[in-house]
Amino acid sequence: GAGVSQSPSNKVTEKGKDVELRCDPISGHTALYWYRQSLGQGLEFLIYFQGNSAPDKSGLPSDRFSAERTGGSVSTLTIQRTQQEDSAVYLCASSLGLAGPTDTQYFGPGTRLTVL
Amino acid sequence: AQKITQTQPGMFVQEKEAVTLDCTYDTSDPSYGLFWYKQPSSGEMIFLIYQGSYDQQNATEGRYSLNFQKARKSANLVISASQLGDSAMYFCAMRGFNKFYFGSGTKLNVKP
Repeated sequence: GAGVSQSPSNKVTEKGKDVELRCDPISGHTALYWYRQSLGQGLEFLIYFQGNSAPDKSGLPSDRFSAERTGGSVSTLTIQRTQQEDSAVYLCASSLGLAGPTDTQYFGPGTRLTVL
Repeated sequence: AQKITQTQPGMFVQEKEAVTLDCTYDTSDPSYGLFWYKQPSSGEMIFLIYQGSYDQQNATEGRYSLNFQKARKSANLVISASQLGDSAMYFCAMRGFNKFYFGSGTKLNVKP
């Protein structure tokens, strides 16, 4: 398909385990974003990649969270030593990466993470 | 500081009626963009409509229109002829200084 894809759609893990969440952006989109959404809440910004620039990691809640983007395309969000408070839906979005106001984000379906 | 505010946690509207969802913003970027997204219970965020800060006309996309009042820093979403499928969370977002900011959302319930 032509949209943003994320995998897995659901992930259940035990406290203390590491998890990896994957995002495949729309082809040609140079900007990629990760957000976290707890049940019934708004979006919490995590990290932003733009082309080859250093990522904006200002939203990562702790050093247990990290993300990388290989080849300017697919991104992986890694959560180490998961805690129950990490349970949420993790949303990925991509955009063309235009400078200025017109850059529209398109979202993937999300990964629902449950930490037992 | 860049900020987006949605003051209506929940709204009800009768099917076939129009509804306005409020959004106010604050930014020092003279060139900014305003966006509305819909999030149904399935969880996916769906882009609805965009308004640029220099656009003279209010944006429209089908039954969606954005009531942009620049001096008041408001960007309200108007949904005409509400349908049951419009029941969802709606998020207002702003792009300023090349960053995105999201509001806390409004949950819209359309009653038959």
